Amino acid sequence: EDQVTQSPEALRLQEGESSSLNCSYTVSGLRGLFWYRQDPGKGPEFLFTLYSAGEEKEKERLKATLTKKESFLHITAPKPEDSATYLCAVRQGGSEKLVFGKGTKLTVNP
Amino acid sequence: SQTIHQWPATLVQPVGSPLSLECTVEGTSNPNLYWYRQAAGRGLQLLFYSVGIGQISSEVPQNLSASRPQDRQFILSSKKLLLSDSGFYLCAWLRRSGGNEKLFFGSGTQLSVL
Repeated sequence: EDQVTQSPEALRLQEGESSSLNCSYTVSGLRGLFWYRQDPGKGPEFLFTLYSAGEEKEKERLKATLTKKESFLHITAPKPEDSATYLCAVRQGGSEKLVFGKGTKLTVNP
Repeated sequence: SQTIHQWPATLVQPVGSPLSLECTVEGTSNPNLYWYRQAAGRGLQLLFYSVGIGQISSEVPQNLSASRPQDRQFILSSKKLLLSDSGFYLCAWLRRSGGNEKLFFGSGTQLSVL
C-alpha cells in the first residue's frame, strides 16, 4: 500500500489560474512532510517542510498546508516558469526513510 | 557552506559491466545519506540510506549495493548491470538544524544500460 499519494498526476493551467495540488499520506506519527519542485533532468529542489497539522508555509506564489491526513500545495496566479513536477515526501517517526509520492506534473500555459 | 556533489552527470554502460557512482557532501558531519532512483515517468524510489560510516540500510532487493567508507562519502555500485538498472540516480543528504529538517539532492546521474 502506498504511503504517499499525489493527485492529480498532471495539471494544466492558464497563467493566472490558481489551483491546488494534493498529497495524502497514511503514515502514523508523521515526523515531517516535504515538498519539492523538479525540473526535467535535474535533482529535486527543496520547497517546504511541514511538521504538524495546521502548519502553513509560503514562498512567493506557493503556499503549503498540512492536516492529519493530507497536505496541499496552493499555487496562486501561476506563471509559465512554475511549470515543473511537484513532489511530496513523508518521514515517519522512528524511521530515517523519506518516502516520495509519484508527483504532479504542472504545466502553466501563457 | 554545505554542498553535495554527485558524478558523473551522464553514463552509458553495456549490460554486464560494473558500476560505481560517487556522492560527497561538504560542510557538514555525520549526515544521513540517501540513494534514490527515478525511472522514466515514475516517482523517486528509495534504494539505500545510511546514518553513519559503514551503516547501510537496503530498501529494495536488487542488483545494486551501497557503501559508506567515509563520513561524507556514499557510493552506489553494481558488479554486473542489467537493462532494468537504467534510470536517473539521485544522492541526497538530510540536514537537521534547530529541529528543522531539509533533504537536499545532488544534480543526479542519468544512467543508460544498453
